Amino acid sequence: QQQVKQSPQSLIVQKGGISIINCAYENTAFDYFPWYQQFPGKGPALLIAIRPDVSEKKEGRFTISFNKSAKQFSLHIMDSQPGDSATYFCAASPGSGNTGKLIFGQGTTLQVKP
Amino acid sequence: GAVVSQHPSWVICKSGTSVKIECRSLDFQATTMFWYRQFPKQSLMLMATSNEGSKATYEQGVEKDKFLINHASLTLSTLTVTSAHPEDSSFYICSAGQGEGYGYTFGSGTRLTVV
Repeated sequence: QQQVKQSPQSLIVQKGGISIINCAYENTAFDYFPWYQQFPGKGPALLIAIRPDVSEKKEGRFTISFNKSAKQFSLHIMDSQPGDSATYFCAASPGSGNTGKLIFGQGTTLQVKP
Repeated sequence: GAVVSQHPSWVICKSGTSVKIECRSLDFQATTMFWYRQFPKQSLMLMATSNEGSKATYEQGVEKDKFLINHASLTLSTLTVTSAHPEDSSFYICSAGQGEGYGYTFGSGTRLTVV
């Protein structure tokens, strides 16, 4: 019940295309859903986050779609660029809002081909 | 913006020795810090929650006597891996924040290799 399931494990997209990564959760107590980008040998960096009372949030080329009834959320990267090639993690925070304590998905390795 | 620094960025130690990893919040006071472990090509797993001035809270399955956490000030938390063994080799990452509404920032991580 504490798991966050992420798919696909890896993704190859052409430059300019749309990258879509999906996550699903079981625990309805999760109240904050961030997405992180991680480059090799570095710590994860926050990309965008959403609360369950919002169905969509957009920041630049990154959009989170959130389906509370299905307990699913996804990251869309528009106009994908080679510099976006990295590992992406979805996460969820139990409790009220962003407690800092995060349960991470398994990660998706994105490769954007020039 | 909030900056979290980890030191060292990488360390190699001999089996049976102890190694200390530091996590510092450079431009803010962090009431809470978190320690995560990440094995190669795997996800981040929360190890423990570190609160300034009190004992750390460990996640199930994490040995508190092996992974000693000290949060002695509002800007510094340390993780000491005691009697390290090759299976402890991993990427250790901290995060720090001021609490709800302020966000939490991850450090750049520490690569530990035990030989």
